[in-house]
Amino acid sequence: QKEVEQNSGPLSVPEGAIASLNCTYSDRGSQSFFWYRQYSGKSPELIMSIYSNGDKEDGRFTAQLNKASQYVSLLIRDSQPSDSATYLCAVNSHNQGGKLIFGQGTELSVKP
Amino acid sequence: DGGITQSPKYLFRKEGQNVTLSCEQNLNHDAMYWYRQDPGQGLRLIYYSQIVNDFQKGDIAEGYSVSREKKESFPLTVTSAQKNPTAFYLCASSIGAMNTGELFFGEGSRLTVL
Repeated sequence: QKEVEQNSGPLSVPEGAIASLNCTYSDRGSQSFFWYRQYSGKSPELIMSIYSNGDKEDGRFTAQLNKASQYVSLLIRDSQPSDSATYLCAVNSHNQGGKLIFGQGTELSVKP
Repeated sequence: DGGITQSPKYLFRKEGQNVTLSCEQNLNHDAMYWYRQDPGQGLRLIYYSQIVNDFQKGDIAEGYSVSREKKESFPLTVTSAQKNPTAFYLCASSIGAMNTGELFFGEGSRLTVL
């Protein structure tokens, strides 16, 4: 089992829809969770971090964390073509001294 | 503007050659990292350094070497011992120790072995 798992996609949604990106992790002791956005050929940039169970909203982005289910998600409301990118989930691994573990990323395509 | 500068952006190497990728930051960050990204995969940690003159191996350090002689600089050498070096290499930094999770990335260096 991979430590951090994401569906590789591509996930295709129409413009204006809600995009839902999911991530599961195996280390139950993990405390910090992050979403990075990576445009094609570019480097990742941090867009959301979440540390507590529940929802965290920032503009059109909402991160959701459920530690009991070992599940973190990213919702993008009113999706725009400019949101088309690969979204990387990253988790601080408690078992590995807090090292940041990345999932393989989910490719999102927003169609006009 | 503060940031992380990687060079070169594109690099071609013949088999058996060592190459060095440059990474310079002016963010005054303590920690620096090197990641490798292969198509359709996440980032894998090669080396990291939390302080000058000290660095630790990541998950895939074999065939790579680094140095941290200055706070601003963390060059990566891809040696001929690296079996499959063609990849996208990303340098990153963070204000504090690694477990903050908040990394700032350079633009990356794409290495191709001919």
